Amino acid sequence: GQQVQQSPASLVLQEGENAELQCNFSTSLNSMQWFYQRPGGSLVSLFYNPSGTKHSGRLTSTTVIKERRSSLHISSSQTTDSGTYLCALERGNNRIFFGDGTQLVVKP
Amino acid sequence: GPKVLQIPSHQIIDMGQMVTLNCDPVSNHLYFYWYKQILGQQMEFLVNFYNGKVMEKSKLFKDQFSVERPDGSYFTLKIQPTALEDSAVYFCASSGGSQNTLYFGAGTRLSVL
Repeated sequence: GQQVQQSPASLVLQEGENAELQCNFSTSLNSMQWFYQRPGGSLVSLFYNPSGTKHSGRLTSTTVIKERRSSLHISSSQTTDSGTYLCALERGNNRIFFGDGTQLVVKP
Repeated sequence: GPKVLQIPSHQIIDMGQMVTLNCDPVSNHLYFYWYKQILGQQMEFLVNFYNGKVMEKSKLFKDQFSVERPDGSYFTLKIQPTALEDSAVYFCASSGGSQNTLYFGAGTRLSVL
């Protein structure tokens, strides 16, 4: 079954609004990573965050292991934030599972 | 930041032919991966590779697929023979730094005609 579930599947924002993306996992994990992908593009690592909270500019990632969830917060969204956001769960044996992603569209 | 290079960026071949996708991983990384992504769909795990061996592979990693990294050169994915359903973007990734962060290449778009 699906080991990593992301929500929402899609999200439309007006520029300047905030976004909260969720990733829930059904198994134990060694690490959690968030990626960004433009349509037809490669994956860019946003956060490697096995636990706790990390900040990078307008982005914040929080992973709570005992609740089996990780979130990505985007503040003051911009049109250039549009794309797909993926979370990836690493279990033992360096096996990495991806969620289905959240498709974000930020309108001007 | 660290770069994973993939060659070629686009490959067009006829069904039944062999194709080799090349990946130059981050230099000090030890774990290598191939993922397959059909347009608009989820990124799907194919295989991971460590110390010269396949560690784990998914059911998408058919018998026609093979991977190797001879003498520390390119990490390759070979498909022989190719099928129409192999058309996709194939992403290579590597990890193995202190944080085990996964770095992806730009992908090779494979079109099987």
